[in-house]
Amino acid sequence: DAKTTQPPSMDCAEGRAANLPCNHSTISGNEYVYWYRQIHSQGPQYIIHGLKNNETNEMASLIITEDRKSSTLILPHATLRDTAVYYCIVRVGGTSGTYKYIFGTGTRLKVLA
Amino acid sequence: EAGVTQFPSHSVIEKGQTVTLRCDPISGHDNLYWYRRVMGKEIKFLLHFVKESKQDESGMPNNRFLAERTGGTYSTLKVQPAELEDSGVYFCASSQDGFLWGTRTDTQYFGPGTRLTVL
Repeated sequence: DAKTTQPPSMDCAEGRAANLPCNHSTISGNEYVYWYRQIHSQGPQYIIHGLKNNETNEMASLIITEDRKSSTLILPHATLRDTAVYYCIVRVGGTSGTYKYIFGTGTRLKVLA
Repeated sequence: EAGVTQFPSHSVIEKGQTVTLRCDPISGHDNLYWYRRVMGKEIKFLLHFVKESKQDESGMPNNRFLAERTGGTYSTLKVQPAELEDSGVYFCASSQDGFLWGTRTDTQYFGPGTRLTVL
């Protein structure tokens, strides 16, 4: 069962920041938030992840609220190649100390020229 | 470095037939995962291998699905007999355990998927 809620679609102008929200109100204390994106006919591509602190890498920034019930993925300068479905994922502990990803339904981001 | 590869990219079979999907993980990755997305649903976890051992197969839908990872390298997922509801995209992912700030991390890298159509 999905542990994340995302808007189904968003538009963003090229060159502007894209802010993709995600709610994960039932997240547990040791569960990470991961973001992936899927461009048509490819597999999900890793973007960034975090536990409770804000994170930044060469692709994006991840802002996690203090109560950890929601997060925002920020693409600072969106390009046409960023058009994709973006998944907010909670990584949960499985049996025998292993982990698995719980995917949401994703946000379809369309970057407009 | 080669990424996760999956074969075939597409498979069309008739109900009742058998299909075997293959996944080659990133070299050196002990963890291998199978996920799938059926029509209109989100991507869902099927199972997890650590080397050749099944660590978690809680997501396998029923006993028509059999996953193996002999020798701890590539993995196969067999569906026998296939049913209409098995149609979807099957993804494989691999990861290597690491630790960051005392917490285990394992970013999963996905293959392109196999699109299975059961007629």
